[in-house]
Amino acid sequence: IQLTQSPSFLSASIGDRVTITCRASQGISNYLAWYQQKPGKAPKLLIYATSALQSGVPSRFSGSGSGTEFTLTISSLQPEDFATYYCQHLNSYTLCSFGQGTKLEIK
Amino acid sequence: EVQLVQSGAEVKKPGESLKISCKGSGYSFTSYWIGWVRQMPGRGLEWMGIIYPGDSDTRYSPSFQGQVTISADKSISTAYLQWSSLKASDTAMYYCARRGPDLLTGSDFWGQGTLVTVSS
Repeated sequence: IQLTQSPSFLSASIGDRVTITCRASQGISNYLAWYQQKPGKAPKLLIYATSALQSGVPSRFSGSGSGTEFTLTISSLQPEDFATYYCQHLNSYTLCSFGQGTKLEIK
Repeated sequence: EVQLVQSGAEVKKPGESLKISCKGSGYSFTSYWIGWVRQMPGRGLEWMGIIYPGDSDTRYSPSFQGQVTISADKSISTAYLQWSSLKASDTAMYYCARRGPDLLTGSDFWGQGTLVTVSS
């Protein structure tokens, strides 16, 4: 299963609403997670099962979708949200590849 | 508090062997899968494989099958990633990550990463 994220780069301002899309090459039901990675740090789980918010993650983050198209939305960008975001499909312990990443930069 | 603590950075020559570690604490180590993820310099995340320390059930991504070996010692709550003969292309940051209690949960805790540099 291939995951394709769009866009690969995104420039936005504080307070903006942004949406990142992840498309799967075949249906994966709701088996999708989103991670945030900041430079020099390990990834952090934000969303699992497509739309479930991981404990401690701010409510401005939300996920939706099913089948082959999924989105991560940040409702109002904060300074600490500028990072790279990855989707990952979860319906296997072996073949659970990541998308190529979306780098979110300050405009 | 759940923690995964990885071994320190390594500098190796091509052809050398290496084993890096990931020690879990603050949870039942034998009850959760531990996966390994590669991140080459300036690149994205790649899923390498996973082990269930409770019974050592190990599974590899096809891209990494035969290239690395994943193991675990449940007596000391530690998972390992090893190479028998390193290549320059193995230069990367390697993360271990705990997979949640079921397929839907994702990787909820991560190690801090181990930087492996392979250079002659």
